[in-house]
Amino acid sequence: ELKVEQNPLFLSMQEGKNYTIYCNYSTTSDRLYWYRQDPGKSLESLFVLLSNGAVKQEGRLMASLDTKARLSTLHITAAVHDLSATYFCAVSQGGSEKLVFGKGTKLTVNP
Amino acid sequence: DTAVSQTPKYLVTQMGNDKSIKCEQNLGHDTMYWYKQDSKKFLKIMFSYNNKELIINETVPNRFSPKSPDKAHLNLHINSLELGDSAVYFCASSNAGGRPDTQYFGPGTRLTVL
Repeated sequence: ELKVEQNPLFLSMQEGKNYTIYCNYSTTSDRLYWYRQDPGKSLESLFVLLSNGAVKQEGRLMASLDTKARLSTLHITAAVHDLSATYFCAVSQGGSEKLVFGKGTKLTVNP
Repeated sequence: DTAVSQTPKYLVTQMGNDKSIKCEQNLGHDTMYWYKQDSKKFLKIMFSYNNKELIINETVPNRFSPKSPDKAHLNLHINSLELGDSAVYFCASSNAGGRPDTQYFGPGTRLTVL
């Protein structure tokens, strides 16, 4: 059974700092997704990573995938308050449409 | 203009009642999903339909019954509601087999069972 672990689960950081969120998964998969959720809101798709070594960047966020290590990272550069949200990684189970989500990382960026 | 919409947004009801949540997508996707997000924000898939056919059916009490009248709609009916059913229910849709096949989520329905 596919398990997805994120760490840290809570992250409080100052504006301007860099940090990385990690997403480990337990079985082989060909797709990994990162989503953002603001309090009381829906999930917004950030990145889709489809192959080993894939790297995608949008603004201050950069996601990468290492399928051999079964690890994805979400790197935050020079954090700003607007990035405060909960970030989820989700992994496709066995090439199916079933996504298994991590528990989420609640990011708080303090001025 | 809304891509994935759900009604109602909030649902407050008594234990033992039966309720339904409706979902519609206008993205032309062929696959729709129901997810449950509990109070700790943990998100878990419940069901998925592809072209009106059930393809994912997780371990969910049979009080929950999804219905897909066409590929743009997926409804969730819940019988004999229990306190533990209180959660936010999200509908999502995607193009299965698409590359990428990102799932797009609706705004959620917050269900509170008293």
